[in-house]
Amino acid sequence: NAGVTQTPKFQVLKTGQSMTLQCAQDMNHNSMYWYRQDPGMGLRLIYYSASEGTTDKGEVPNGYNVSRLNKREFSLRLESAAPSQTSVYFCAIDRGGTEAFFGQGTRLTVV
Amino acid sequence: SQKIEQNSEALNIQEGKTATLTCNYTNYSPAYLQWYRQDPGRGPVFLLLIRENEKEKRKERLKVTFDTTLKQSLFHITASQPADSATYLCAGWDKIIFGKGTRLHILP
Repeated sequence: NAGVTQTPKFQVLKTGQSMTLQCAQDMNHNSMYWYRQDPGMGLRLIYYSASEGTTDKGEVPNGYNVSRLNKREFSLRLESAAPSQTSVYFCAIDRGGTEAFFGQGTRLTVV
Repeated sequence: SQKIEQNSEALNIQEGKTATLTCNYTNYSPAYLQWYRQDPGRGPVFLLLIRENEKEKRKERLKVTFDTTLKQSLFHITASQPADSATYLCAGWDKIIFGKGTRLHILP
């Protein structure tokens, strides 16, 4: 998954704690996305950013905030983590809607 | 709401046979449909894209079709091999909406 770097790869949080998932790309694409993947649910879009300075809600935005810091970076913040946010989180970039490149994922457990 | 549906959660195919996976879309008309492969613990990897005005697209042992009348795409793997075992995801353009995926098992 060259081109999209996610940190951290693993994280365990206690209920109520906050954290930020980082995503950085070196492919100079405008659009960036955050998905969560749960067993039996597929990939669900949390937020996306069509370009620097813009963000929009996806299918499951509640409990999350995002920041498109610049063209390279798109972060996802959990202000007060809940067990329902236990999931694998993927950042993706896309080339005009025709092909998406994914990061390696962040496996988050909220206890 | 816009939906991409993959009807089969899992599919078992004998090695050497053709595997066929189905993707249906509802409540919108994607300009493109994309297919991805995902291995356990990894992010999805792009395989093929087909546009709405293309009937068929091929890449090595892979073939994708797009039927706008049936609102369906079929994904074929010919001469399947155990290494083809993975989850395959269909996605539609417009914020790249994904189906839930089909777990394909190629049996030796």
